[in-house]
Amino acid sequence: NAGVTQTPKFRILKIGQSMTLQCTQDMNHNYMYWYRQDPGMGLKLIYYSVGAGITDKGEVPNGYNVSRSTTEDFPLRLELAAPSQTSVYFCASRTTGFNQPQHFGDGTRLSIL
Amino acid sequence: AQTVTQSQPEMSVQEAETVTLSCTYDTSESDYYLFWYKQPPSRQMILVIRQEAYKQQNATENRFSVNFQKAAKSFSLKISDSQLGDAAMYFCAYSANTGTASKLTFGTGTRLQVTL
Repeated sequence: NAGVTQTPKFRILKIGQSMTLQCTQDMNHNYMYWYRQDPGMGLKLIYYSVGAGITDKGEVPNGYNVSRSTTEDFPLRLELAAPSQTSVYFCASRTTGFNQPQHFGDGTRLSIL
Repeated sequence: AQTVTQSQPEMSVQEAETVTLSCTYDTSESDYYLFWYKQPPSRQMILVIRQEAYKQQNATENRFSVNFQKAAKSFSLKISDSQLGDAAMYFCAYSANTGTASKLTFGTGTRLQVTL
């Protein structure tokens, strides 16, 4: 059981480039989340999804887009990379019930130069 | 808006000793859960323990226990018999039953060092 898988693990982008961070989970979870973690800080929510076809903005959505065409996949897209988007990105999922813990991927370290 | 505050950026404990990490939160909700997550250098986010707001009994998981003071909005984590493998960042997090995907709100974390 792989859980939540994120790819790539590391990436360096140039300013203005675009890329997609991939996230897939094999637990049949309806809820999925994207967070960013800046150095010395906690995680901040970028976008979340409550099921296939349904997404919504979190705390810091500017500069990002998401889609949820299947239950398993929840990709995060950066359209015009900016240095302020240098961060570690985590994808998470959970089953129904607000008391259920979120399961996290291993993160993607993204540097924009 | 809900906020989670961890006032100790760093803590240190000797192996086999006990340490307590502090967390306070602010909310107007009555139905919520509190979590402690551990993030070792490998970067994984690992659930340590969780507490339901309606339960008066403090949660325990082996060497980890919490002191949940609902009126004071305090949720501290106690690690007993500390081990080298406990060295990590620890994040306190809050989730309320608001019907909007029940997002987690994280504190800024406490870095725990374990010394011999």
